[in-house]
Amino acid sequence: DGGITQSPKYLFRKEGQNVTLSCEQNLNHDAMYWYRQDPGQGLRLIYYSQIVNDFQKGDIAEGYSVSREKKESFPLTVTSAQKNPTAFYLCASSPRTAQGSNEQFFGPGTRLTVL
Amino acid sequence: AQKITQTQPGMFVQEKEAVTLDCTYDTSDPSYGLFWYKQPSSGEMIFLIYQGSYDQQNATEGRYSLNFQKARKSANLVISASQLGDSAMYFCAMREVNTGGFKTIFGAGTRLFVKA
Repeated sequence: DGGITQSPKYLFRKEGQNVTLSCEQNLNHDAMYWYRQDPGQGLRLIYYSQIVNDFQKGDIAEGYSVSREKKESFPLTVTSAQKNPTAFYLCASSPRTAQGSNEQFFGPGTRLTVL
Repeated sequence: AQKITQTQPGMFVQEKEAVTLDCTYDTSDPSYGLFWYKQPSSGEMIFLIYQGSYDQQNATEGRYSLNFQKARKSANLVISASQLGDSAMYFCAMREVNTGGFKTIFGAGTRLFVKA
């Protein structure tokens, strides 16, 4: 079945450590996104990529890095520079067209906790 | 600047009744899309309904309908015949086609509680 997978579902990290969250899609979508969600709040865009080997910063990119070497994969690294990384992280993808109607398809999310 | 506003942090509805979740937006782009997503306690985001800025009719998808009032810049979600499984967070979102690229902006969400 087509969809988006994120791993792991739960992740624990010690302060000062970098950690990489995985996101894979087999929907043949060009565009991929990373969002952060804090308790009781909406989604904030961290990074997005419209095509392989290209990505742009979202609204809260500081302390995060991404790569897009393959169409199917868009890993997110949470670096030690991110001051408050404990949050729920959602990956999404969508077709790369100019149409406004293309909804985003979301993965199940990764809950990151810094100990 | 926040462009999507959901003013209801929480809403209660009796099972089998209808409920309206409010959403207002702000944009200068004449071409945009409005979305509603549902987020159950498990965390995944489920697409519910879409409304384009040039659509003449309000969008409907099963028990979901979108009350689109362009002049007021509102895009309220109406859920008819509420079910216990409708209890979840609901997010309104917008994509500006010409100026926003592929970015979608989300509101803060409304938590819906359906009472038996």
